[in-house]
Amino acid sequence: EVQLVESGGGLVPPGGSLRLSCSASGFVFSTYSMTWVRQAPGRGLECLSFISSSGGSLFYADSVKGRFTISRDNAKNSMYLQLNSLRADDTAVYYCARDSGDSFDRWGQGTMVTVSS
Amino acid sequence: EVVLTQSPATLSLSPGERATLSCRASQSVGSDLAWYQHHPGQAPRLLIYDASNRATGIPARFSGGGSGTDFTLTISSLEPEDFALYYCQQRSNWPFTFGGGTKVEIK
Repeated sequence: EVQLVESGGGLVPPGGSLRLSCSASGFVFSTYSMTWVRQAPGRGLECLSFISSSGGSLFYADSVKGRFTISRDNAKNSMYLQLNSLRADDTAVYYCARDSGDSFDRWGQGTMVTVSS
Repeated sequence: EVVLTQSPATLSLSPGERATLSCRASQSVGSDLAWYQHHPGQAPRLLIYDASNRATGIPARFSGGGSGTDFTLTISSLEPEDFALYYCQQRSNWPFTFGGGTKVEIK
């Protein structure tokens, strides 16, 4: 069974940092591109970052470019998102999702990030 | 950036009724459009990919159509578990944007 499990969320002050992890199982992780998507309270879904299967291609939304860094470790079946210079408007549930090439076909349950003093 | 506009924002219907959701793109995305169902607190679920293909395990009452800039998601007869949020998403150009969502609520 395909499973994606996010971890690493929590409460952080403005300007702080967090590292989110996405642990994958039930499929050959190294053959899939992966993404991070977030949903702020009362808002819709926002695609933040994409990483290709090898890690050679990286894309970022303008809202997080220069502050967030996506990475992956195929040997550990894991993907990461380093969040730096956090702001109040980064408060959201962060999801990892598997990119099948035409859609995000599997999602994790999400991890909550709250940026507040 | 491709902007996706979903309408209506809220659809109030009764179980058994037909739901028609719309998604309009600011520029052509070909058939690179997907639909997702989201129950708050749960993981989003892929319903439709490539505009009209049902994902694995999705019931036949869900169907998608359209191409270019205008797309629809139709639920032929609403079941209780179908009352949720629905999002369209384009995967034609980065960033892979989502629409603002349509809430299907019980009338």
